[in-house]
Amino acid sequence: RKEVEQDPGPFNVPEGATVAFNCTYSNSASQSFFWYRQDCRKEPKLLMSVYSSGNEDGRFTAQLNRASQYISLLIRDSKLSDSATYLCVVLEYGNKLVFGAGTILRVKS
Amino acid sequence: EPEVTQTPSHQVTQMGQEVILRCVPISNHLYFYWYRQILGQKVEFLVSFYNNEISEKSEIFDDQFSVERPDGSNFTLKIRSTKLEDSAMYFCASGDISNTEAFFGQGTRLTVV
Repeated sequence: RKEVEQDPGPFNVPEGATVAFNCTYSNSASQSFFWYRQDCRKEPKLLMSVYSSGNEDGRFTAQLNRASQYISLLIRDSKLSDSATYLCVVLEYGNKLVFGAGTILRVKS
Repeated sequence: EPEVTQTPSHQVTQMGQEVILRCVPISNHLYFYWYRQILGQKVEFLVSFYNNEISEKSEIFDDQFSVERPDGSNFTLKIRSTKLEDSAMYFCASGDISNTEAFFGQGTRLTVV
């Protein structure tokens, strides 16, 4: 079983759409959870941390379900600039970030 | 805005040669990492470094790899005898004392021919 599993997509959505990404992780001892964004041939950049209580940052909402080992990201009112690969990332013991393979989002006008 | 810088941006080397990839982490950060991403694949953890020693390393990080913090600012990754399969983008990252976010450099694209 993969440590962090994501639907690779691509998700092709029109501008203004709402889109949701899901992620599951296998290590129940994982400490922290994040969504990163990666543009083509660029470095990953932190989009947001994910908390059990859920957290929102503008058009982005992240949720963590520890019991199900499941993480989600919701993007509302999609913009062309949201087109990227979204990486589900888990922090494990030893300060090791474990990355999912990413979900590709393409927002079209 | 402080950033992690990596040099060179692209390195081409012959199989069997040694390469050193260089990174300057953000100045007050205490945690340092190397990751790699083979083209079209996921980002993979190589090694984490804290308090002048390796805190964790992956199976990829075998005897061919080593890391060093030769002075107060640089953090290097050395690959002793490069193989074709070492071709990848190598990312350096650093984190502050809270370690709640890893800041990534722009990467070094290593091509082994």
